Amino acid sequence: RKEVEQDPGPFNVPEGATVAFNCTYSNSASQSFFWYRQDCRKEPKLLMSVYSSGNEDGRFTAQLNRASQYISLLIRDSKLSDSATYLCVVNGEDSSYKLIFGSGTRLLVRP
Amino acid sequence: DAGITQSPRHKVTETGTPVTLRCHQTENHRYMYWYRQDPGHGLRLIHYSYGVKDTDKGEVSDGYSVSRSKTEDFLLTLESATSSQTSVYFCAISDIGFNEQFFGPGTRLTVL
Repeated sequence: RKEVEQDPGPFNVPEGATVAFNCTYSNSASQSFFWYRQDCRKEPKLLMSVYSSGNEDGRFTAQLNRASQYISLLIRDSKLSDSATYLCVVNGEDSSYKLIFGSGTRLLVRP
Repeated sequence: DAGITQSPRHKVTETGTPVTLRCHQTENHRYMYWYRQDPGHGLRLIHYSYGVKDTDKGEVSDGYSVSRSKTEDFLLTLESATSSQTSVYFCAISDIGFNEQFFGPGTRLTVL
């Protein structure tokens, strides 16, 4: 089983749509959770951290479910500029200072 | 944006030649990481550093070595490049180990 698993997509949605991505992780002791965004041929960039109580940043909402070991990202009112690959990231099993990156979920927002 | 640069940004080399990639940061962060990214594999950790002269292996360290003689510089060396090392290489930094990491712009390496 992969340490971090994501649906690769692509998710193809119209502008203005709401879209949600889920990610599952294998290490029940993980303490750090993040969503990164990566544009084609660019470096990954931090989108948001994920906190136990859930957190929101504008149109983006992240949730953590420790019991089921998954995290989610909800994007409301999708924009064309949201088209990218979204990486789910969790700290590693053997060391808290190693992050494990999912392979990413690709989002395409169409006009 | 975090002050991280990578050099070179693009390199084409031949099998068997040594290659060194450089990561330079101006953030004074303790932790530095080298990843490679390939289609279908996502980001995979090659080596990381938790301080000057303190380094350790990641999941795909075979064929790679690293050095960190100063806080700001982390070098990745391919002693004898192979075609399987054709990839995009990213450097990342972090101030506290379990915190988020910030990435450099990447180096595209092609080994012919």
